[in-house]
Amino acid sequence: EDQVTQSPEALRLQEGESSSLNCSYTVSGLRGLFWYRQDPGKGPEFLFTLYSAGEEKEKERLKATLTKKESFLHITAPKPEDSATYLCAVRRGGADGLTFGKGTHLIIQP
Amino acid sequence: GAGVSQSPRYKVAKRGQDVALRCDPISGHVSLFWYQQALGQGPEFLTYFQNEAQLDKSGLPSDRFFAERPEGSVSTLKIQRTQQEDSAVYLCASGMGRLNTEAFFGQGTRLTVV
Repeated sequence: EDQVTQSPEALRLQEGESSSLNCSYTVSGLRGLFWYRQDPGKGPEFLFTLYSAGEEKEKERLKATLTKKESFLHITAPKPEDSATYLCAVRRGGADGLTFGKGTHLIIQP
Repeated sequence: GAGVSQSPRYKVAKRGQDVALRCDPISGHVSLFWYQQALGQGPEFLTYFQNEAQLDKSGLPSDRFFAERPEGSVSTLKIQRTQQEDSAVYLCASGMGRLNTEAFFGQGTRLTVV
């Protein structure tokens, strides 16, 4: 059974304080690891897809990396508007839907 | 419209009542997904459509849950004889192709069963 574990569950940072969110996964035949951002009362917003170990993608202050067992979402010099829940998900071969983790609730204090 | 639209945004149902949740995907998107998100949890996959064909319904929790997309556009998720454990946010997402990775989510319908 596919499993996605995100840590920490919650993280509070000062504005400008860089950090990383972790996503550990167990999946048979990974066909993509996804990062989404979810604001309260809204649906998830797509950020990145990674397919193979060693792959990295960047968008503004966010950078996602992938190994064979985990993915990291690095946040550099975050701003209060980066506050949100960040969700990690995997797709295995032959599956249509994604398996999501519980998310990391990130708060950036000004 | 510009994005995925879901209605109603909020629904309160009495236990045992039937409900229907609507999803209007982005125009031209062939893939449509339904997810269930309980409070404090990540979304859980329910079902997948490619155009009007329901190709995967492995995530539907019971036979009380039924989804359709008869013309390959608007989709409806129906829950019969609602129970308290059905209370959750129901999310719809659409994408351009079956293996499309960038699915766009709607804002969801929050269902509360009392």
